[in-house]
Amino acid sequence: EAGVTQFPSHSVIEKGQTVTLRCDPISGHDNLYWYRRVMGKEIKFLLHFVKESKQDESGMPNNRFLAERTGGTYSTLKVQPAELEDSGVYFCASSAGGTYYEQYFGPGTRLTVT
Amino acid sequence: GEDVEQSLFLSVREGDSSVINCTYTDSSSTYLYWYKQEPGAGLQLLTYIFSNMDMKQDQRLTVLLNKKDKHLSLRIADTQTGDSAIYFCAESNEMNRDDKIIFGKGTRLHILP
Repeated sequence: EAGVTQFPSHSVIEKGQTVTLRCDPISGHDNLYWYRRVMGKEIKFLLHFVKESKQDESGMPNNRFLAERTGGTYSTLKVQPAELEDSGVYFCASSAGGTYYEQYFGPGTRLTVT
Repeated sequence: GEDVEQSLFLSVREGDSSVINCTYTDSSSTYLYWYKQEPGAGLQLLTYIFSNMDMKQDQRLTVLLNKKDKHLSLRIADTQTGDSAIYFCAESNEMNRDDKIIFGKGTRLHILP
């Protein structure tokens, strides 16, 4: 069974540009989460989808971040316009319905904003 | 808000036991976790323990939970070079914070030959 996959693995963009990160959860997992780790800091929760609905987006930093999960399968996280402080590693995780405590993480996308 | 604290570095000789410690602030935590991140890889769910348990053992891994002191530890027996990684302590609170997992900053385990 394939794990959580993320694309790209690394993205380098200039301040003010737009970047879209993609996450493909484990097949059949209704729950999809986005987390972020800024250099030297903790991994922080961003938001949680249940199928295509946003269950909790309390961790989204500001309105420059837009997450979508059309059709309840893969998800995208768009940053527009990117700022220097957005640099970090963005992790996606998924879990089956009713087992939120078993969140399986992807390899992460390292975003560098210059 | 809720917080998870752990030391940033630990060096252990190959073959010895590694003990990684963690403290947390939420007295109502439901699950406590240990995640492992190897170089260049994502987070691997190593093990987790429900808050009404004191101990969980899985092969070389032993998790101890002291709920009174809000202290969690991970013991790796017979540490191998392949255990070299960053270990993240984490917790969740099903009642108050839905599915959100709170992480510590990670402990980098270095194996000495």
